[in-house]
Amino acid sequence: NAGVTQTPKFRILKIGQSMTLQCTQDMNHNYMYWYRQDPGMGLKLIYYSVGAGITDKGEVPNGYNVSRSTTEDFPLRLELAAPSQTSVYFCASSYVTLEPRNQPQHFGDGTRLSIL
Amino acid sequence: QQPVQSPQAVILREGEDAVINCSSSKALYSVHWYRQKHGEAPVFLMILLKGGEQKGHEKISASFNEKKQQSSLYLTASQLSYSGTYFCGTERHEKLTFGTGTRLTIIP
Repeated sequence: NAGVTQTPKFRILKIGQSMTLQCTQDMNHNYMYWYRQDPGMGLKLIYYSVGAGITDKGEVPNGYNVSRSTTEDFPLRLELAAPSQTSVYFCASSYVTLEPRNQPQHFGDGTRLSIL
Repeated sequence: QQPVQSPQAVILREGEDAVINCSSSKALYSVHWYRQKHGEAPVFLMILLKGGEQKGHEKISASFNEKKQQSSLYLTASQLSYSGTYFCGTERHEKLTFGTGTRLTIIP
């Protein structure tokens, strides 16, 4: 099993450009998440999804958009990239039946994004 | 609100013990613990649920006191492989809020 796969691994963007970070999982997990991690800091939730067609904002959603058309894929789109969005982006997934509180999250390897 | 972890960093010699604490200002339903090595993704260690249950992983165990809204991670007889940054994650309303992290360095 590949688990959670993120592409690209690295990217440099110019201010004002747009891009989509791809995330796909092959574990049939219903919950998926996007986090950003700034250097030396913890993970902050950007958006999450509890199933195909359902998404919701996390702690730091401004400047990002998501969609979830399939169970497997949860792309994150950056519109009008700004230097403050320079970060490492992690996608995660979990399988939730009744309560999310007792289900671990499985993380992808991350996308390192620099905006200059 | 982000849970607070203490200490921020700790250096141990191989074989020594350590305790990492995680405190929240809000009521908790569960606490997750993850370890992240430099340049890698966080890896799940364990989940603590209400009831003060202790869990174990290798020689790592944890406790959860929901009344005090605190969790502690205990690393016993530390090994070089335990080096990394440890994050607690407090769960509320389907979402995890991660702490600031504790950087653990194990030296031979």
